[in-house]
Amino acid sequence: KAGVTQTPRYLIKTRGQQVTLSCSPISGHRSVSWYQQTPGQGLQFLFEYFSETQRNKGNFPGRFSGRQFSNSRSEMNVSTLELGDSALYLCASSPGLAGNQETQYFGPGTRLLVL
Amino acid sequence: LAKTTQPISMDSYEGQEVNITCSHNNIATNDYITWYQQFPSQGPRFIIQGYKTKVTNEVASLFIPADRKSSTLSLPRVSLSDTAVYYCLSRKGGSYIPTFGRGTSLIVHP
Repeated sequence: KAGVTQTPRYLIKTRGQQVTLSCSPISGHRSVSWYQQTPGQGLQFLFEYFSETQRNKGNFPGRFSGRQFSNSRSEMNVSTLELGDSALYLCASSPGLAGNQETQYFGPGTRLLVL
Repeated sequence: LAKTTQPISMDSYEGQEVNITCSHNNIATNDYITWYQQFPSQGPRFIIQGYKTKVTNEVASLFIPADRKSSTLSLPRVSLSDTAVYYCLSRKGGSYIPTFGRGTSLIVHP
């Protein structure tokens, strides 16, 4: 079974631009979560989507948004990029039906650099 | 302020047992504790998960005391390939938000 895939793997943007990152979950998984990883703040939860609906949301500004499609693929968007948005953005998928005992499977991440 | 804390770094030698403890003193009543391993330029990889007492799988053991305010990941007989960052994950009481510790960088020496 193929793992979680994320595209693109690397991205360079300038301040003020917007960016869209894509995540394809493991086949059959309906939950997709997004995380931001930085040296300063570590791994922080952005949001989780299940069956095309945002089920949970972390403590990030409204510039960070996401969506999920009917095939469970998900995208996240960051508008009006700031230098501090430079990070590794990780996507994780799980079946989505067993709550907090489910294992999350992570993709390799998208490395975003904002100049 | 409730936090999920773990040591920043640890050093060990091949063949030794390594124990990494995570403190999660405000863990949600019904939440599981999960540990992940991360190599550079890769996403975290699941190691082990538990709710209480002891769990063991083919790569690690997880010890959780009765009060569940901490957990200890035990790696038996580490090898050079176990050099990585190890994260614990739980959720705070009253919140769904998954909270990772800051990670423990384990370096295994020959």
